[in-house]
Amino acid sequence: AQSVTQPDIHITVSEGASLELRCNYSYGATPYLFWYVQSPGQGLQLLLKYFSGDTLVQGIKGFEAEFKRSQSSFNLRKPSVHWSDAAEYFCAVGASNNFNKFYFGSGTKLNVKP
Amino acid sequence: EAGVAQSPRYKIIEKRQSVAFWCNPISGHATLYWYQQILGQGPKLLIQFQNNGVVDDSQLPKDRFSAERLKGVDSTLKIQPAKLEDSAVYLCASSSSRNQAKQYFGPGTRLTVT
Repeated sequence: AQSVTQPDIHITVSEGASLELRCNYSYGATPYLFWYVQSPGQGLQLLLKYFSGDTLVQGIKGFEAEFKRSQSSFNLRKPSVHWSDAAEYFCAVGASNNFNKFYFGSGTKLNVKP
Repeated sequence: EAGVAQSPRYKIIEKRQSVAFWCNPISGHATLYWYQQILGQGPKLLIQFQNNGVVDDSQLPKDRFSAERLKGVDSTLKIQPAKLEDSAVYLCASSSSRNQAKQYFGPGTRLTVT
C-alpha cells in the first residue's frame, strides 16, 4: 500500500538560509510524486511533480526536489528561504493505476526567522 | 481563470446534526475530489468524481457521508449525522482531462462538531 512519511513536523530556518524538507514514500512501482504548499486559510498549491526522467525537478517559487529511488525519498529544497515561504508543506504520492488519487504525508510546518 | 470555490468557509454544528458543503470546480474540469484534512494530518481522499460518475469512494464513510455531482459540474458533500471526529477541513479539488495529475484546491470548509 502507498504511504508517505514526512519525519519533521516543524522546522524553523532563518531568512536567507537553505532549506531541505524530507519525504519518504512506500510504493511498489514507480511512483508519481508531488509537493504541495498550504498557506493559512488557503487551499493547497502545487509546487512541483515527478513522473519520470530527470530525477531533479524544478518547481515554482525557486523550489526543487530530487527523486532518489534507492532511498525512497523525494526531498524538497530551496537555496535561500524568504519570509513568505512560511507555510505548511505536504508531500504526496500518486497511485499508478489512478495517478490522480493522492496519498499525502502529514505535513511539515515551516517557520522563517527574520 | 476563477479558482475552485467552496462554501461555507466555516461551520459549527452539534453532534448528530447534519451539514452540507458545496463546491464549484474550475470551469471545464471533469474530475472533482473531496478530501478530509484532520488537524495535524495530510488530506485524505474521500471521493473522486469523473463528470457525474463516482471513480473512487473507498474511503468515504457511507453510513454517514454522501456526495453527489448530479450535472457533472458543482458538487455537494453531506454528513448526517455528524460525529465529533468529523471535525476537520473539507477540501474540494478539481483537475482537467488534459492534465489530470495537477489538482487545483479550493480554500476548504472548516467544520467544528461540538
